[in-house]
Amino acid sequence: DVKVTQSSRYLVKRTGEKVFLECVQDMDHENMFWYRQDPGLGLRLIYFSYDVKMKEKGDIPEGYSVSREKKERFSLILESASTNQTSMYLCASTRSLRVNTEAFFGQGTRLTVV
Amino acid sequence: DAKTTQPNSMESNEEEPVHLPCNHSTISGTDYIHWYRQLPSQGPEYVIHGLTSNVNNRMASLAIAEDRKSSTLILHRATLRDAAVYYCILRDESAWANSGYALNFGKGTSLLVTP
Repeated sequence: DVKVTQSSRYLVKRTGEKVFLECVQDMDHENMFWYRQDPGLGLRLIYFSYDVKMKEKGDIPEGYSVSREKKERFSLILESASTNQTSMYLCASTRSLRVNTEAFFGQGTRLTVV
Repeated sequence: DAKTTQPNSMESNEEEPVHLPCNHSTISGTDYIHWYRQLPSQGPEYVIHGLTSNVNNRMASLAIAEDRKSSTLILHRATLRDAAVYYCILRDESAWANSGYALNFGKGTSLLVTP
């Protein structure tokens, strides 16, 4: 089975901490994405990467950064966690940026910032 | 991306077929129709997609109206594991690029499957 794996299912962090969320895919996909999902707001794109070391801001990049040093791994970094970053974080990957391509999602990381 | 309309919720009995409708009256000729689902506390999962013709895969079938203004996701035999939120989305090449390649799920249809 092809897989997108996120390093943690649940995380609890304190305000002001630096938080790392890791995502690994085993499909040799070019493109990887980080979303957050909140009730009533749907999926919102934080960042995406179309190649190693390449990144593009999504709709809500403020307070986040990303790193893609290897093709299979895409990390989301919360520089200084705040309570409004409590959310479900979803990593996804796609083989191409064509619209007839399916996206593969990880199982999600539910982050709580206290 | 063009807008889709889905019922908020539907209910089905286990082992019966389920027809999940999606209206997309403003669909353009280049919009692909995609379906994803999200089980409780899981990430979304791709189900199926199509452009004009009906499509079948191991998970489901997609029936697309002749005028393409609506489509139906068909689960042939619902199981308890099919209880999820089902999202119907339209994806167009240029709109997707202009959105920064963001997938925009609406509220979807919450499917309840009862034994």
